[in-house]
Amino acid sequence: DVKVTQSSRYLVKRTGEKVFLECVQDMDHENMFWYRQDPGLGLRLIYFSYDVKMKEKGDIPEGYSVSREKKERFSLILESASTNQTSMYLCASISDLLAGYNEQFFGPGTRLTVL
Amino acid sequence: TQLLEQSPQFLSIQEGENLTVYCNSSSVFSSLQWYRQEPGEGPVLLVTVVTGGEVKKLKRLTFQFGDARKDSSLHITAAQPGDTGLYLCGRSGGSNYKLTFGKGTLLTVNP
Repeated sequence: DVKVTQSSRYLVKRTGEKVFLECVQDMDHENMFWYRQDPGLGLRLIYFSYDVKMKEKGDIPEGYSVSREKKERFSLILESASTNQTSMYLCASISDLLAGYNEQFFGPGTRLTVL
Repeated sequence: TQLLEQSPQFLSIQEGENLTVYCNSSSVFSSLQWYRQEPGEGPVLLVTVVTGGEVKKLKRLTFQFGDARKDSSLHITAAQPGDTGLYLCGRSGGSNYKLTFGKGTLLTVNP
């Protein structure tokens, strides 16, 4: 059974802390994504990676960075957490973007609260 | 940016009723996907529609892709409480590598 796993389901951090969100997929997919999901705003793309050590900014990259040292692992980093980064964070992977209709596999999400 | 507009944003119905939700865009898409997200979980793919005018059925769910490939609909017959969730339409692929989703329709089916 293919899977995308995320390191934590719930996380509470304080303003100013450095936060790491980890995502691992076991499908040998080249492409991985980080989204945040907020009520009324839908899914918004933060960053994506199409290969090891390769990354591109999504629609809302400010305040975030990412790391892809191994194909199966994609990390989202909040350098200095702020309260407006309280959200649900979803990781996803897909095998071939250009095919246009390959399934995106999502992790269960991490609900981050920044106090 | 190729936006996907979903309607309605919220829908609350009684068990056994039928419903339709919509996904529209001003741009033509090569394909469209529908996902369902249950509370506390990530979205899961229901179906991909590729051909204009295409209709796909998944048990009580019927998906249609518009002839012009700018719109899609999801019809649920005899809704059940287990259908409760957030229904998202989305597209993947294209030259700019960005993935686009609508904001979703939050469906609640009351027993």
